[in-house]
Amino acid sequence: GIQVEQSPPDLILQEGANSTLRCNFSDSVNNLQWFHQNPWGQLINLFYIPSGTKQNGRLSATTVATERYSLLYISSSQTTDSGVYFCAAVVFDMRFGAGTRLTVKP
Amino acid sequence: DTAVSQTPKYLVTQMGNDKSIKCEQNLGHDTMYWYKQDSKKFLKIMFSYNNKELIINETVPNRFSPKSPDKAHLNLHINSLELGDSAVYFCASTKGVTEAFFGQGTRLTVV
Repeated sequence: GIQVEQSPPDLILQEGANSTLRCNFSDSVNNLQWFHQNPWGQLINLFYIPSGTKQNGRLSATTVATERYSLLYISSSQTTDSGVYFCAAVVFDMRFGAGTRLTVKP
Repeated sequence: DTAVSQTPKYLVTQMGNDKSIKCEQNLGHDTMYWYKQDSKKFLKIMFSYNNKELIINETVPNRFSPKSPDKAHLNLHINSLELGDSAVYFCASTKGVTEAFFGQGTRLTVV
């Protein structure tokens, strides 16, 4: 099956800083999604982005399908951004990367 | 209305018991999944199911079985629970390969 790799595994930021999370995948995909797992364990949909660029407030994402990667940008980070960020790629079914654990300090 | 709902949210049970976790979606989706999230937060697919085909991850013990009474429901039944089954189990649904939505998770603790 498809391999999904995320980097970095851990990230610590000061509030207000910007960051970029990366997701590499090993095969052509039909879908690519980004999720945020908050400290209460809920998986929150951030972006459905098989290709191109999308923005939602302080977050944006870009997927370059031909080069098999996606990036999640977080600008002006806030403590509420803390949690684990997952990307998931779909070929026949949805496979997750191991996640990036983000800690934003006040 | 919750799009994908799981019950129960918490489940504590003894080794050897049989238990079920229920999942319902009201999105009209045709594909549903079960995932297991271990203590290291890794999300591993267990099953994917649509109205045509059940795909089982070959690493899932046969004590785990999905049961789908209709397109809106995919329940997870677990026989002879073991300590290692303790984890958070997530249900998800999607239409084809479009955006997937997850339930709130069920934290299973086997004692």
